[in-house]
Amino acid sequence: DAKTTQPNSMESNEEEPVHLPCNHSTISGTDYIHWYRQLPSQGPEYVIHGLTSNVNNRMASLAIAEDRKSSTLILHRATLRDAAVYYCILRDTPTTSGTYKYIFGTGTRLKVLA
Amino acid sequence: DTGVSQDPRHKITKRGQNVTFRCDPISEHNRLYWYRQTLGQGPEFLTYFQNEAQLEKSRLLSDRFSAERPKGSFSTLEIQRTEQGDSAMYLCASSRTGGGNTIYFGEGSWLTVV
Repeated sequence: DAKTTQPNSMESNEEEPVHLPCNHSTISGTDYIHWYRQLPSQGPEYVIHGLTSNVNNRMASLAIAEDRKSSTLILHRATLRDAAVYYCILRDTPTTSGTYKYIFGTGTRLKVLA
Repeated sequence: DTGVSQDPRHKITKRGQNVTFRCDPISEHNRLYWYRQTLGQGPEFLTYFQNEAQLEKSRLLSDRFSAERPKGSFSTLEIQRTEQGDSAMYLCASSRTGGGNTIYFGEGSWLTVV
């Protein structure tokens, strides 16, 4: 089962910042928080990941709560091309075979209004 | 970095036929994943390889499904005696040990069983 909870959908106006929340209350100390987004008819695209500290890259920023039970993906200026499904996922605890699985939920569908 | 490559991108087949998908991971990525995604859902984990060893298979992977990764490079996913319920997008992803274990997805292979 997915270990994260996200709103089903969100809307934003073009050129405005977007804050996409994610709850992961059962996160363990070694779980990285990953964000992916998926455009229609494409595979998921890596956006950003982090462990404890806030992270920035050219696509977005990731703000991680101090207790690590929640995080927020920040798109600083939404564009129409940012309309996608955004997934917040945790790398699952390795199995005894050493498998690292990523369990996806249904994500947040972001609609960007012109 | 040429990314994860999947072939074919689209396949329409009649029920009962066999189909095979190929995945070429990012070079030097030792971990390879197969996922399946149906409309409106997030990707579902199917199986995982570390080098040539298949370390885990989801219960979603019935005995009609088989995946291989000879020599630890490309991988194939074969579906025998296809059923209409197999219609989905099949996603391949790869990663390397360390670095937060970020996985990178291909564009997916769409399967339609008629």
